[in-house]
Amino acid sequence: DTGVSQDPRHKITKRGQNVTFRCDPISEHNRLYWYRQTLGQGPEFLTYFQNEAQLEKSRLLSDRFSAERPKGSFSTLEIQRTEQGDSAMYLCASGPPWGAYEQYFGPGTRLTVT
Amino acid sequence: AQTVTQSQPEMSVQEAETVTLSCTYDTSESDYYLFWYKQPPSRQMILVIRQEAYKQQNATENRFSVNFQKAAKSFSLKISDSQLGDAAMYFCAYRSARGGADGLTFGKGTHLIIQP
Repeated sequence: DTGVSQDPRHKITKRGQNVTFRCDPISEHNRLYWYRQTLGQGPEFLTYFQNEAQLEKSRLLSDRFSAERPKGSFSTLEIQRTEQGDSAMYLCASGPPWGAYEQYFGPGTRLTVT
Repeated sequence: AQTVTQSQPEMSVQEAETVTLSCTYDTSESDYYLFWYKQPPSRQMILVIRQEAYKQQNATENRFSVNFQKAAKSFSLKISDSQLGDAAMYFCAYRSARGGADGLTFGKGTHLIIQP
């Protein structure tokens, strides 16, 4: 069990550019989540996949954000036309189809928009 | 919408002592799950303990235990025999048992300092 991995770990981009992050969940985990965490705050839920289906989206997920999980394995989160307010840690978590629906988090991707 | 409140931004405890972190939540649902997560500095979030709302018995995991008071909507975390490695941000989180509401709602966290 290698844990949830995320790539890249750090991303610096200029305002207006597009960025894409990748998340690889723990194998056999059919649930995958994206969160955003800003400094001094708890994570905020963005979106949820069960297998390849995107079942839940937060109001925080504006039109500039899109997430995919095409084959029910890895997932990507794309932010178009980045703004300085998008600077945050983007966390991915996965969960198995059994148990109390606990979620296991990856190390995150820290995005800085200059 | 559910909310989770952690009223202690920072707590400090002597090594080997016991500390309790507070968490309250607001919900109109009767079935849900509660979690405590630990986030060490510059490291990833780790699940510490979980509690199903339908279970009256408080969950325990080694030195970690919870005091779940459903009527009061309170879910505190007790850490016994505190160790230096317990130093971290601790987040309380809520998950609805309702289908289609799988995302966790987190509190703002409590920064736990362990004094050697």
